[in-house]
Amino acid sequence: QQQVKQSPQSLIVQKGGISIINCAYENTAFDYFPWYQQFPGKGPALLIAIRPDVSEKKEGRFTISFNKSAKQFSLHIMDSQPGDSATYFCAPATQGGSEKLVFGKGTKLTVNP
Amino acid sequence: NAGVTQTPKFQVLKTGQSMTLQCAQDMNHNSMYWYRQDPGMGLRLIYYSASEGTTDKGEVPNGYNVSRLNKREFSLRLESAAPSQTSVYFCASRGQLTEAFFGQGTRLTVV
Repeated sequence: QQQVKQSPQSLIVQKGGISIINCAYENTAFDYFPWYQQFPGKGPALLIAIRPDVSEKKEGRFTISFNKSAKQFSLHIMDSQPGDSATYFCAPATQGGSEKLVFGKGTKLTVNP
Repeated sequence: NAGVTQTPKFQVLKTGQSMTLQCAQDMNHNSMYWYRQDPGMGLRLIYYSASEGTTDKGEVPNGYNVSRLNKREFSLRLESAAPSQTSVYFCASRGQLTEAFFGQGTRLTVV
């Protein structure tokens, strides 16, 4: 059973453009919605996360939008920069932290200069 | 603060050899995880441990065993390595109300 569906698999944008990555989940018990960023040769690291009491969270150029009824959340990268080129993963979870943690298949973002 | 430490960073094995990947975290997290990452396949969960003394299978457990030695340490063992186990392996830990923290990975090649 695929619990987490992430799209697109790859994304190419021009510098200054907007990058949008989507994540759909099935488990209604999830109450923690993070996006992780991974650079080549490194482990993933948290980029931004949202909890379900708000529908949007912005940190600099990065915004998470959350739609509880649709069981989806999205990552928006405004003014995309070449340094944003990385692989992005979603991994919805519970705040209790004790369940198996399943990641989306990842989105490879390339920002062309 | 070291976070999550994995050893070794690189390893080459011959088919049929065994080895153990070590992982330790210093954040007092209850949950620990082992993933493998292959091109185009994302991060696939091998095994996880929700607390000291418990382990559970993930999506791709065949060919692997794990031990949660104590709260800090979670090891992954390949009893008889196969070329299909060539991959990058990541250990992660997570506490309540926090994100997952990852180690730097182990690049394993089985020839």
